[in-house]
Amino acid sequence: DAGVIQSPRHEVTEMGQEVTLRCKPISGHDYLFWYRQTMMRGLELLIYFNNNVPIDDSGMPEDRFSAKMPNASFSTLKIQPSEPRDSAVYFCASSDGEGGTEAFFGQGTRLTVV
Amino acid sequence: AQSVTQLGSHVSVSEGALVLLRCNYSSSVPPYLFWYVQYPNQGLQLLLKYTTGATLVKGINGFEAEFKKSETSFHLTKPSAHMSDAAEYFCAVSDTGRRALTFGSGTRLQVQP
Repeated sequence: DAGVIQSPRHEVTEMGQEVTLRCKPISGHDYLFWYRQTMMRGLELLIYFNNNVPIDDSGMPEDRFSAKMPNASFSTLKIQPSEPRDSAVYFCASSDGEGGTEAFFGQGTRLTVV
Repeated sequence: AQSVTQLGSHVSVSEGALVLLRCNYSSSVPPYLFWYVQYPNQGLQLLLKYTTGATLVKGINGFEAEFKKSETSFHLTKPSAHMSDAAEYFCAVSDTGRRALTFGSGTRLQVQP
């Protein structure tokens, strides 16, 4: 398997623009996680899905952020409108349903909002 | 609620010296514990994990960690540091009730020649 695939790897956008980050999890995994990494706040869980259903979105910062998982092989994280404080590295990860299974991470998307 | 505390945001050791990175966790149920490593501009890679059974777990690249329930700790060690070990290390916890990992703040390891 190619692992968790995220696109794009880098995104530079202007404040106020819509940004969409994409993720393809490992085939057969039924959990998908979105994390954000910043110097100030470290690794924060934004939202996670089980069998395409959002389980916990309490980490989503505000209504400008939304995430969807229309099928088992694709998820998006959208920011609309984007703000400079959204600049961060966004990671997608997936795991299977077994207890204690580790999450496999993608390479991340580095988002810069200017 | 789960939480993870990593003592020391930066640790510097000499090549060949012992590496000790500290992790304490809080969990209301038996935890699953993980150590991940992150190299610059890359994602996180699993080093090792504890689920059940033997409390001393061995991982990749010569790292190991010991689960100590009485101390709520899961410290990471390596007998002899190598230059290639320089990276950021994250301790994380999950459990049967919450599959998402909660991460510590990370420890940046520097290895001096």
